[in-house]
Amino acid sequence: DVKVTQSSRYLVKRTGEKVFLECVQDMDHENMFWYRQDPGLGLRLIYFSYDVKMKEKGDIPEGYSVSREKKERFSLILESASTNQTSMYLCASSFAGVTYNEQFFGPGTRLTVL
Amino acid sequence: AQSVTQLDSHVSVSEGTPVLLRCNYSSSYSPSLFWYVQHPNKGLQLLLKYTSAATLVKGINGFEAEFKKSETSFHLTKPSAHMSDAAEYFCVVTPGAGNNRKLIWGLGTSLAVNP
Repeated sequence: DVKVTQSSRYLVKRTGEKVFLECVQDMDHENMFWYRQDPGLGLRLIYFSYDVKMKEKGDIPEGYSVSREKKERFSLILESASTNQTSMYLCASSFAGVTYNEQFFGPGTRLTVL
Repeated sequence: AQSVTQLDSHVSVSEGTPVLLRCNYSSSYSPSLFWYVQHPNKGLQLLLKYTSAATLVKGINGFEAEFKKSETSFHLTKPSAHMSDAAEYFCVVTPGAGNNRKLIWGLGTSLAVNP
């Protein structure tokens, strides 16, 4: 079974703190994704990575950065957390290829910024 | 530009009655279409996918969806709802034209199943 794990299920941080969200997948997937999920807004893509050290901005990259030093690990970084970044963060991974490949999701991290 | 619209934000059915969750899409290319499900406090899971093979697609837990190009629709159905079907459902489309890394997500439909 594909497994995508996220470092924390719940996280509470203070405004201005630097926040790291970690995601690890165990299926040798080339693609990895970070989304945030907010009520009424669905899933919005923050960043994705299609290879080690490669990244591409999604729809809402402002205020976030990412790091992918190893194929299995994709980190989301909030350089200076703000209250409007309170959200559910979802990590996903998939194989690369010409045709679409299913994205597998982690359980999510619910981040609260106070 | 590609887009996906889920026509109902909330659907409520009684246990044992049919389920219909509606999804329309807009795409300049031949899209791939998917339904994902998210149960409370659980991760997103692929329910079914259409990738230009049979237009009637069967998924897990008795769900199916029919791709209708003329209507640009991909509605999700189930003949008889079960309490465990209560969840959030997302219709998803790929941009197509070789760009299959990113997905375009609908806003979701919350399905409630009443006893």
